[in-house]
Amino acid sequence: QQQVKQSPQSLIVQKGGISIINCAYENTAFDYFPWYQQFPGKGPALLIAIRPDVSEKKEGRFTISFNKSAKQFSLHIMDSQPGDSATYFCAALRFSGGYNKLIFGAGTRLAVHP
Amino acid sequence: DSGVTQTPKHLITATGQRVTLRCSPRSGDLSVYWYQQSLDQGLQFLIQYYNGEERAKGNILERFSAQQFPDLHSELNLSSLELGDSALYFCASSAQGGNYGYTFGSGTRLTVV
Repeated sequence: QQQVKQSPQSLIVQKGGISIINCAYENTAFDYFPWYQQFPGKGPALLIAIRPDVSEKKEGRFTISFNKSAKQFSLHIMDSQPGDSATYFCAALRFSGGYNKLIFGAGTRLAVHP
Repeated sequence: DSGVTQTPKHLITATGQRVTLRCSPRSGDLSVYWYQQSLDQGLQFLIQYYNGEERAKGNILERFSAQQFPDLHSELNLSSLELGDSALYFCASSAQGGNYGYTFGSGTRLTVV
């Protein structure tokens, strides 16, 4: 069953605008919430991540907002650029010693138009 | 270059055949994970190995198997291939304990004809 739900499936934003991608999770046992960025033909690359005891994390133009009580988190891309056009995956990680499981959302295809 | 090496990059094979995908993890990483990404689909977790031992299984078909060798490289074996097995197969690795920093390879694109 899908434990991380991501929306929207696709997103079109004008250059300079704000891109917002939302995710919700079901299992409260997750330990970390990373976001991955994937360009066509490439593997996903870690973009930014947040722990569940933090409400917000910002790195450059990328910000994660985390709402533990609502079990929701979102990625905001400020001043979106055409180079940000990619597929973004939210994920939830549960780790315990050597047993680790990273569960991905379905992905959001972002297109930033000039 | 992420440090995770996957070979081959592309593979075209016929239905019913068997193929082996190879992954060399980033230096020092003990955990290897395999994911399948079908066209316009998300990333489906297949299986995880930690220092040679299987640690977790996801939606991996019985026709698929994997192993991690003493030098920590891993192989994913896909047999009795079907058209629906056509996908990108990604390998990822992480350091001991598996923090949030999974590093993905560039993937192997498998096409079954």
